[in-house]
Amino acid sequence: NAGVTQTPKFQVLKTGQSMTLQCAQDMNHNSMYWYRQDPGMGLRLIYYSASEGTTDKGEVPNGYNVSRLNKREFSLRLESAAPSQTSVYFCASRFRGARAFFGQGTRLTVV
Amino acid sequence: KNEVEQSPQNLTAQEGEFITINCSYSVGISALHWLQQHPGGGIVSLFMLSSGKKKHGRLIATINIQEKHSSLHITASHPRDSAVYICAVSGSGGSNYKLTFGKGTLLTVNP
Repeated sequence: NAGVTQTPKFQVLKTGQSMTLQCAQDMNHNSMYWYRQDPGMGLRLIYYSASEGTTDKGEVPNGYNVSRLNKREFSLRLESAAPSQTSVYFCASRFRGARAFFGQGTRLTVV
Repeated sequence: KNEVEQSPQNLTAQEGEFITINCSYSVGISALHWLQQHPGGGIVSLFMLSSGKKKHGRLIATINIQEKHSSLHITASHPRDSAVYICAVSGSGGSNYKLTFGKGTLLTVNP
């Protein structure tokens, strides 16, 4: 079982560059999420998609965009990367009210 | 907004010791989650509970809804239990698609 697959695992960007983080789940979950994890701050919600065709902002959406391409895939785009976006990014999925499943994370450094 | 507090922030134990990690939250919830993250690794869901107690191997999770408090216990701790343990809560009612996370407890078990 693949679960939640995130790509890439590591990425270094220069300030101003753009990139897309990919996430796919094979558990038929309705809800998908993007979080960032920073030292001493815990996981913070960037964007979520409660169901296919809908997306909503979380706590820290500035500088990011998302696309729920279909039920399986939820991508996160950085249009113009900034050093403040250096973080570890996690994608997650779940049925509403059930346990969450997380990807392995993407370690992003913006220089 | 729900505030999730974990204690202690850091915990060092000797192999074989009984370990307790605490989590408290400020607002009523639909469920509480305990997650495990090994250094540099992904996040794995250990438990989801809304009342009482759950046990899986050497891990036990309890919740007291009235006191808004949960504990994660590890019996006969082992060096492989060394990880960050994260408490998260699901909001109630229309907010139960969202998870709010604590900052985590770093557990180190020495042989």
